[in-house]
Amino acid sequence: SQQGEEDPQALSIQEGENATMNCSYKTSINNLQWYRQNSGRGLVHLILIRSNEREKHSGRLRVTLDTSKKSSSLLITASRAADTASYFCATDAAQGGSEKLVFGKGTKLTVNP
Amino acid sequence: DSGVTQTPKHLITATGQRVTLRCSPRSGDLSVYWYQQSLDQGLQFLIQYYNGEERAKGNILERFSAQQFPDLHSELNLSSLELGDSALYFCASSVVRNTEAFFGQGTRLTVV
Repeated sequence: SQQGEEDPQALSIQEGENATMNCSYKTSINNLQWYRQNSGRGLVHLILIRSNEREKHSGRLRVTLDTSKKSSSLLITASRAADTASYFCATDAAQGGSEKLVFGKGTKLTVNP
Repeated sequence: DSGVTQTPKHLITATGQRVTLRCSPRSGDLSVYWYQQSLDQGLQFLIQYYNGEERAKGNILERFSAQQFPDLHSELNLSSLELGDSALYFCASSVVRNTEAFFGQGTRLTVV
């Protein structure tokens, strides 16, 4: 079963606007990661946030993590047409047992020029 | 270029056949993961290896098997293929378990 679930499933915005995507997960984690996938291509790692971190920035990306709500958000500021892609969150398991790196179903972002 | 190499890039085969997908991880990466992505779907976790040992299994069918060799490359074997097995199969690798993963470009399998 999917550990992470992204919301919304699809998002369409204008260039220059901000895009926010959310991820909810079910079990405790060591870290949460966000990836990007251009259509039919391999995924590219964007950012990793550890369970003891609450916020992390990388360029135009801002990720937050709320472990009490088991949720994370990815904010892309000042979006560009080139940001058009699917975005996935990925989680692991915090304690022994399952060591899966599990992805959600993704948010399909379209940035219109 | 992620440094992860998957071969072949495309594969067309008939139902009932068996195929082998190959993955060469980035130099130094010990963890290898396999995922299946059907059209417009998320990535379904299949199996994970760490330094030659199986470490986690996901929704992998009994018709599918995988292994990681001493040189750390991995193979995913799909047998008795069905039309529903048509998908993109991705391999990824990471230095240690469940950290930043680097993905190959995938093998697009079409079963006809």
